[in-house]
Amino acid sequence: GQQVMQIPQYQHVQEGEDFTTYCNSSTTLSNIQWYKQRPGGHPVFLIQLVKSGEVKKQKRLTFQFGEAKKNSSLHITATQTTDVGTYFCAGQEGAQKLVFGQGTRLTINP
Amino acid sequence: KAGVTQTPRYLIKTRGQQVTLSCSPISGHRSVSWYQQTPGQGLQFLFEYFSETQRNKGNFPGRFSGRQFSNSRSEMNVSTLELGDSALYLCASSLSGAARRLHFGNGTRLTVT
Repeated sequence: GQQVMQIPQYQHVQEGEDFTTYCNSSTTLSNIQWYKQRPGGHPVFLIQLVKSGEVKKQKRLTFQFGEAKKNSSLHITATQTTDVGTYFCAGQEGAQKLVFGQGTRLTINP
Repeated sequence: KAGVTQTPRYLIKTRGQQVTLSCSPISGHRSVSWYQQTPGQGLQFLFEYFSETQRNKGNFPGRFSGRQFSNSRSEMNVSTLELGDSALYLCASSLSGAARRLHFGNGTRLTVT
């Protein structure tokens, strides 16, 4: 069945450093979504990527969808303490279920 | 609009018992998905309901079941609870359509002793 792998599992950075999390699917995806879960909270939708090679930016966050639509990345420039949380990618094949990666837990040293 | 509402927020049960969790989706959302979240396993998909029909199902044993009512509210039932069922159960609603953005509730924290 479809699997979505996400690395790294944990990342600790100094405030101001950059951060990147990577997502790989075992199958070709119709779309990939990214969610953020703050400590003690629930996942909150960040963005959806649909097109091959798509790049989207939200302020300091840059999201990419691979050319083969099997991988994706989220890059945060100059992290701030408000970026703390766990970032999940979630891949979907057609109208199938949304499969989440394991998540990358980001902690920041102020 | 009110968000996704899950009840109860916390639950403590004993091994062998059964439990029912409830989820009220955002008004107008007809799809409800359930996920189990544990520290080691991340978010594991349980099932998805759309218009009272199960549309997708994850790889969980038959002890886990769900249903959806005509008003789109959904319930999840776990019978014969095991210690390993302790987890945060998240419900998410979405509009119909293939590329669905999920709106999550705050979850129900189930502890099995």
